[in-house]
Amino acid sequence: GAVVSQHPSRVICKSGTSVKIECRSLDFQATTMFWYRQFPKQSLMLMATSNEGSKATYEQGVEKDKFLINHASLTLSTLTVTSAHPEDSSFYICSTKPGQGDWQEQYFGPGTRLTVT
Amino acid sequence: GQNIDQPTEMTATEGAIVQINCTYQTSGFNGLFWYQQHAGEAPTFLSYNVLDGLEEKGRFSSFLSRSKGYSYLLLKELQMKDSASYLCAVIDSNYQLIWGAGTKLIIKP
Repeated sequence: GAVVSQHPSRVICKSGTSVKIECRSLDFQATTMFWYRQFPKQSLMLMATSNEGSKATYEQGVEKDKFLINHASLTLSTLTVTSAHPEDSSFYICSTKPGQGDWQEQYFGPGTRLTVT
Repeated sequence: GQNIDQPTEMTATEGAIVQINCTYQTSGFNGLFWYQQHAGEAPTFLSYNVLDGLEEKGRFSSFLSRSKGYSYLLLKELQMKDSASYLCAVIDSNYQLIWGAGTKLIIKP
């Protein structure tokens, strides 16, 4: 299966600072990338869908000005948490798939643990 | 609204069999996934059902009944490493993936 990497795997930052998380599709062109957030003991919550070359589509309740998504190439999407606060501490996971359907070819990155102090 | 229900937590004994149920009410149906997620890790794919019936893959099997809006994941010969959360997810008519909250499975020796 395809390999998806995320960087960093863990990050600790101070409240008010911004953090950038990278998601890379290593061996196929990812037309669509997804960003999820997962709080402890809860399931995945889709934050936004990122399409290469166009603006991301955010889920209801997710602030697009706080969670900036850039999908500038078919292999890289970035999520920037701006002015992070302790309540943003969570496990952030990206996933990719080649096309609009193709859910069977969805591959997840290993996740990024963000802790805001 | 769209809804997927799974038990929050289940406990089973090493070597035994456990069945994790998932019921769904979604706007259309285009397939159902089961994923395994160990704590602190990303989900990993287990199975995909789009037609009614049982799909067997080693120690894991997944069953689907579209008329009942029901699926289960069956784990046989449980091992300690099977302790994880198991997530049920459904593709709706808009080809969006709807996630269940997951079932935490605890395996005891």
